[in-house]
Amino acid sequence: EEQLVESGGDLVKPGGSLSLSCVGSGFIFSNAWMNWVRQAPGKGLEWVGRIKSKVNGETIDYAAPVKGRVSISRDDSKNTVYLQMNSLKPEDTAVYYCATGGFYLDYWGQGTLVAVSS
Amino acid sequence: EIVLTQSPDFQSVTPREKVTITCRASQSIGTDLHWYQQKLDQSPKLLIKFASQPFSGVPSRFSGSGSGTDFTLTINGLEAEDAATYYCHQSSSLPVTFGQGTRLEIK
Repeated sequence: EEQLVESGGDLVKPGGSLSLSCVGSGFIFSNAWMNWVRQAPGKGLEWVGRIKSKVNGETIDYAAPVKGRVSISRDDSKNTVYLQMNSLKPEDTAVYYCATGGFYLDYWGQGTLVAVSS
Repeated sequence: EIVLTQSPDFQSVTPREKVTITCRASQSIGTDLHWYQQKLDQSPKLLIKFASQPFSGVPSRFSGSGSGTDFTLTINGLEAEDAATYYCHQSSSLPVTFGQGTRLEIK
């Protein structure tokens, strides 16, 4: 059974940094394109970015609101994808999900909460 | 950026009713349109991929149609467990975008 488990969410002050992790199991992680999607409290879904598989060049794409402040990476030996977030703003407060998929997002983790507040 | 606009934003429906949710794209996206269901306090789940293809394990009462700019998610014979927010999502071009969501309440 495919499973994704995110971790690393926390309360941080504006301007701070945070690193999220997502561990996958039950599928061939190295073949998967991995996405980060966030959801602010009571709001809809917002794509943050994605990293393609190694065979697809590990190309990374970011959404405009986070570009330059976040970095996505992966370690296929650990079945893990990371989201490094810097210069955090209150508007970055959200549940952050990782999800597999290059077109449709077929499997999602349970999410991890990032709260940015002084 | 491709904007996806769903309608309605909210609908209150009775069990066994037929429900139709629409998603309109700001430009043509072929069939690169997917639908998700998100129940309260849960992560989203894929229902329909590429406009009309049911994802594995999705009940047959869920179906999708459309191409280009206009898409529809239909639930035939609504059940109480279908209370959720439904999102469309386009993967035709970056950035990937989602509709604003349609919340279904079961009366």
